[in-house]
Amino acid sequence: GESVGLHLPTLSVQEGDNSIINCAYSNSASDYFIWYKQESGKGPQFIIDIRSNMDKRQGQRVTVLLNKTVKHLSLQIAATQPGDSAVYFCAENSAGGYNKLIFGAGTRLAVHP
Amino acid sequence: EPEVTQTPSHQVTQMGQEVILRCVPISNHLYFYWYRQILGQKVEFLVSFYNNEISEKSEIFDDQFSVERPDGSNFTLKIRSTKLEDSAMYFCAVLARREETQYFGPGTRLLVL
Repeated sequence: GESVGLHLPTLSVQEGDNSIINCAYSNSASDYFIWYKQESGKGPQFIIDIRSNMDKRQGQRVTVLLNKTVKHLSLQIAATQPGDSAVYFCAENSAGGYNKLIFGAGTRLAVHP
Repeated sequence: EPEVTQTPSHQVTQMGQEVILRCVPISNHLYFYWYRQILGQKVEFLVSFYNNEISEKSEIFDDQFSVERPDGSNFTLKIRSTKLEDSAMYFCAVLARREETQYFGPGTRLLVL
């Protein structure tokens, strides 16, 4: 498959550990944020989203934290599994999702058994 | 999660040739988008399409690019005269009614020689 993100920052974790992936967004007017997971050769896959009126949202094994003061977004993955290995992108949006998504640079997560 | 398919999965073409990339949303979607991802880089917005017309386009989307939804189903991206730098993964994304999340197709890998 395609090797996406040859020069991406990489986070290496042991299976079962928790992972934290960080993202700085650019637009103060953005009010909707999404984390996508991209496996090699595939399209971005939705993981979790958060609106700007929240600072935390939890899903199944994932949590997104939003700090609007410093324009920072993080994705926490609990009990990381080998299947979590992928490139993770944050994306920002305004006007409720209808506008274009602005993607961050991405972080490669490598999970070792 | 809405299903989106894209055809072809891979396309190799000569510089200067025209290519048409197709997106076939399964469900009844409202907004359509094209994004591209050059190898090793982040996902970039190209164009958004709503109510049978372009609602927003990026600087990348110059006169060589066009989009249409001729039969009310397929959503196409045409590159009139391809350049070497058009080589990338092209992703279609859709936004369903009453939702905020853009869902991505598997992508078309375009290689211009």
